[in-house]
Amino acid sequence: ETGVTQTPRHLVMGMTNKKSLKCEQHLGHNAMYWYKQSAKKPLELMFVYSLEERVENNSVPSRFSPECPNSSHLFLHLHTLQPEDSALYLCASSQDSFTGGHNEQFFGPGTRLTVL
Amino acid sequence: AQSVSQHNHHVILSEAASLELGCNYSYGGTVNLFWYVQYPGQHLQLLLKYFSGDPLVKGIKGFEAEFIKSKFSFNLRKPSVQWSDTAEYFCAVNPSGGSYIPTFGRGTSLIVHP
Repeated sequence: ETGVTQTPRHLVMGMTNKKSLKCEQHLGHNAMYWYKQSAKKPLELMFVYSLEERVENNSVPSRFSPECPNSSHLFLHLHTLQPEDSALYLCASSQDSFTGGHNEQFFGPGTRLTVL
Repeated sequence: AQSVSQHNHHVILSEAASLELGCNYSYGGTVNLFWYVQYPGQHLQLLLKYFSGDPLVKGIKGFEAEFIKSKFSFNLRKPSVQWSDTAEYFCAVNPSGGSYIPTFGRGTSLIVHP
């Protein structure tokens, strides 16, 4: 399998549930990202990992907890979410390049999350 | 911090019409510029990118974009759109030689009527 895959594709959860989103990239990249895409809002960067270390955390509430066990896998652990957290959660990867920044991101299909 | 503005949030065209989507950024140094497209129900994918050389870059599906440094702009164009171009278009910018983390514009929704 190639590219960036995300599971599950759809998730419905209650506010007291705990769930996890999974992302896997098969491109040999060393940087991975979580984004939140809501209707009528800009793409929101949530977390960035480079070489398995978190390098960016854009003031995301603690009910979202990322984990990057290796350069190919990225998780987003969800706990006590709110209805306003319902959105499409996108994972992306790229080849880290501090000397250039030429490299584009490759996106997964997203997980459509609904919080009841 | 840099910012990216896409002034057209919604564009509706008929097939064969010409398209130009605006993208302006605020950053004084050298930048890398990207346009991504998200077709209905599909993932975001790269349309084209610019980081040096000819400021007029060509991408997939007949799209092109022109980098005008003096205007801090990177507008996307297509001379004749098709119904299949209906999608959300995102402009993104990151500084050259610095962080590889791009800043995205809020996107432009394009609807093409057959």
